[in-house]
Amino acid sequence: ILNVEQSPQSLHVQEGDSTNFTCSFPSSNFYALHWYRWETAKSPEALFVMTLNGDEKKKGRISATLNTKEGYSYLYIKGSQPEDSATYLCAFSTSGSRLTFGEGTQLTVNP
Amino acid sequence: EAGVAQSPRYKIIEKRQSVAFWCNPISGHATLYWYQQILGQGPKLLIQFQNNGVVDDSQLPKDRFSAERLKGVDSTLKIQPAKLEDSAVYLCASSSLTGRGGYTFGSGTRLTVV
Repeated sequence: ILNVEQSPQSLHVQEGDSTNFTCSFPSSNFYALHWYRWETAKSPEALFVMTLNGDEKKKGRISATLNTKEGYSYLYIKGSQPEDSATYLCAFSTSGSRLTFGEGTQLTVNP
Repeated sequence: EAGVAQSPRYKIIEKRQSVAFWCNPISGHATLYWYQQILGQGPKLLIQFQNNGVVDDSQLPKDRFSAERLKGVDSTLKIQPAKLEDSAVYLCASSSLTGRGGYTFGSGTRLTVV
């Protein structure tokens, strides 16, 4: 059974704060690590798909890093805005097939 | 590009009733997934199709859940009979064959069993 763990479970920050979340996953048989952003009543939106150790990806104010040897990924949000409020999910796969998700980090950004 | 379509958006049923969900994936995506997301937990894979064949249904409660993907395009997921613990969001997603490009999710069906 693959175990993907995310921390913290929830986070409340003020507008303008920078924040980061952690995703840890099994380091053996790594294939890909995905980050999704899920707003209530909407579809989960793909943020990043990361495959190489040391990968660093950026999309606007959001960036992510990947360490496959030690089995962790960080997601950073710079200058959080209220519209960043969502659940951030990471998911891990050992092959080009099913994703195993963590429980998510619920972010609330207060104006 | 049209997204993954799911219906209905919401459904409330009584326990022991039956319910069916529908999903139409991205055109050309060979792989289709049904996930169950219970409040406070991460999405859990129920079943994975590649074209119209089942690749992984190891976590599908087969005594009450069934799914099909006729003609390798759209798919239905059925629960019969429903239990209280089936209350969840049911997400459909599709991907290309490798899956490395990521999944595209539908907006889900929120099921409440009372």
